[in-house]
Order: sequence, then C-alpha cells, then structure tokens
Amino acid sequence: SQELEQSPQSLIVQEGKNLTINCTSSKTLYGLYWYKQKYGEGLIFLMMLQKGGEEKSHEKITAKLDEKKQQSSLHITASQPSHAGIYLCGANYGQNFVFGPGTRLSALP
Amino acid sequence: EAGVTQSPTHLIKTRGQQATLRCSPISGHTSVYWYQQALGLGLQFLLWYDEGEERNRGNFPPRFSGRQFPNYSSELNVNALELEDSALYLCASSLTLGTGVAWGYTFGSGTRLTVV
Repeated sequence: SQELEQSPQSLIVQEGKNLTINCTSSKTLYGLYWYKQKYGEGLIFLMMLQKGGEEKSHEKITAKLDEKKQQSSLHITASQPSHAGIYLCGANYGQNFVFGPGTRLSALP
Repeated sequence: EAGVTQSPTHLIKTRGQQATLRCSPISGHTSVYWYQQALGLGLQFLLWYDEGEERNRGNFPPRFSGRQFPNYSSELNVNALELEDSALYLCASSLTLGTGVAWGYTFGSGTRLTVV
C-alpha cells in the first residue's frame, strides 16, 4: 500500500478560487516536503515542514503539518494559471524518502 | 550556494546504446538519489548512494547502474537502452544523519533522456 496518499488526484480550479491539496502518511514523518512539477520539467521545491503544527507560507501558498505529523495540507489562495502543474508531497521515513502520487492542478482562466 | 546540478540537460540516444547521466550534489551533501519519471507516471526511485556506496536500489533491471565518486558526485549509467527508458531522470542530494534520516533533500532540474 502507498505510504503517502494525496487527495484529490486532480483538480480543476477557476482563476481566483482557493484550493487545498492533502497529503496523508501512514506513519509519523521526519520531514514533509512539497514540490511542484510542471509537465516534463524538474521538481520545484516549495516548502519543508518538520515540526508538528508547523505552518509556512510563500506568496499565495500555505502549507501546514498537523500535530501528529501524519497529515499535511497545501492551500493556494486566489489561484492563477501559473499555479497549474503537479503537486507532490514527499516525506522522510528514516532512510527512505518517498513521494505521494501527486495532484494534478489545472487552472481555468 | 549552488544547487544540485545535472548534466546533460537533454540526451538523445538510439536503442541499444549506453547513456551516462551526471549529478553534482550540494556542497556538504553525502547522499545522492536517482529517480526516473516516465511520461505520465509518478517518480520511481532508482538508486541511493551514500559515502560512495550503493545503499538502496529500486525495482529496476541491472542495466541501470551507477556510482558515487569521492567528491560525492554521481553517475547513472543505463546500458542497452530501450525505448521505454525515455524519461526525465532526476537526481537529488541530502545529508544523511547518523540516524539514517535524510536532511536538506534537494532535487536537480533533471536530464531528459530520449531513446529513438
């Protein structure tokens, strides 16, 4: 079974609307990373969360890690076409680093 | 500070040839990871090198191999290329703490390999 799950699998959002992507772990995380990938390109690091209850923001993107360090959310405020892409959460599990399956975000003008 | 650098950016090979991809980690990082992302698929873990040794390997055939040099840079070699090897290959580097936890995980921008 997948160690990291993401929801939704895909999302179509009209420009200006808010959206949330969730990442759930089956185990306690050492660190939770959010990445964005535009189709066919490398990964762009967004944020890393380490502490339970931690919240970080950059421009219109906010990421949170719950107190138990098993669930994280990525929230985009007033989405723009530039936000389109695949959002991946990734996590440390000791020696292993795993990715979630990704959430594909499409933005409508 | 320079990030993880990969070369070449693009590589075109014919079926049956060998491809060599290179990765330079962030200064101070001792671990290098290789991932494959084929068209429409998620990231697939290939190899993990730490302190010059292969620590873990994903579910890929032996024709995918690599090594890590004393300066912690790494090469990924793909022998006997097949059409389905066409993909974006991503390298990442990190510190690996004494507890085995990877820290400061950072990706390069990738090498796009096309096999024709």
